[in-house]
Amino acid sequence: SAVISQKPSRDICQRGTSLTIQCQVDSQVTMMFWYRQQPGQSLTLIATANQGSEATYESGFVIDKFPISRPNLTFSTLTVSNMSPEDSSIYLCSAVQSLGLTRAFFGQGTRLTVV
Amino acid sequence: DAKTTQPNSMESNEEEPVHLPCNHSTISGTDYIHWYRQLPSQGPEYVIHGLTSNVNNRMASLAIAEDRKSSTLILHRATLRDAAVYYCILAGGAGSYQLTFGKGTKLSVIP
Repeated sequence: SAVISQKPSRDICQRGTSLTIQCQVDSQVTMMFWYRQQPGQSLTLIATANQGSEATYESGFVIDKFPISRPNLTFSTLTVSNMSPEDSSIYLCSAVQSLGLTRAFFGQGTRLTVV
Repeated sequence: DAKTTQPNSMESNEEEPVHLPCNHSTISGTDYIHWYRQLPSQGPEYVIHGLTSNVNNRMASLAIAEDRKSSTLILHRATLRDAAVYYCILAGGAGSYQLTFGKGTKLSVIP
């Protein structure tokens, strides 16, 4: 199994600022993903974090708003840029350990409130 | 992505079995049926997955219809800790790890 730690666990930010969320996995993983969960809603995939190259974004999400880095096999960051109250959500990091396993692990999430 | 349909909510008494249904009439031959659950204020956690045959693990059982158009997650004895949102997700097996979450079923467990 893999244990995923996210920092910060929660934050309150001013509109117009940016926040970087860190995701650390305790073992090497093949794939890492970022999800958003808006209040009372289900999870929506933002992007796949690719090691050493640009992330692959889902429809409706763009790099300028959600830049993502993945410098190695255990770490990724998601930045929420130029925040507005509509960005208030829980952001979750997910990882898959190996291509032979069909299960994903999730972090506890980062609860972001934009005021 | 293939779509699943689940009831919005269900209730169960503590220590009784719970059967959570999921319909997936457009499932393709290579789609695996995955179940995840999300406890309050936590990230989702894997419960079980299967392709064609029924599956058992320490958390639950998965019963898959012969035509694969529906499945049922079975919790054999519900506990208060099982109160969560349960998501039924179709994914393409090894090599396809992008999970598309629907609205899920919110399970309430009554003491």
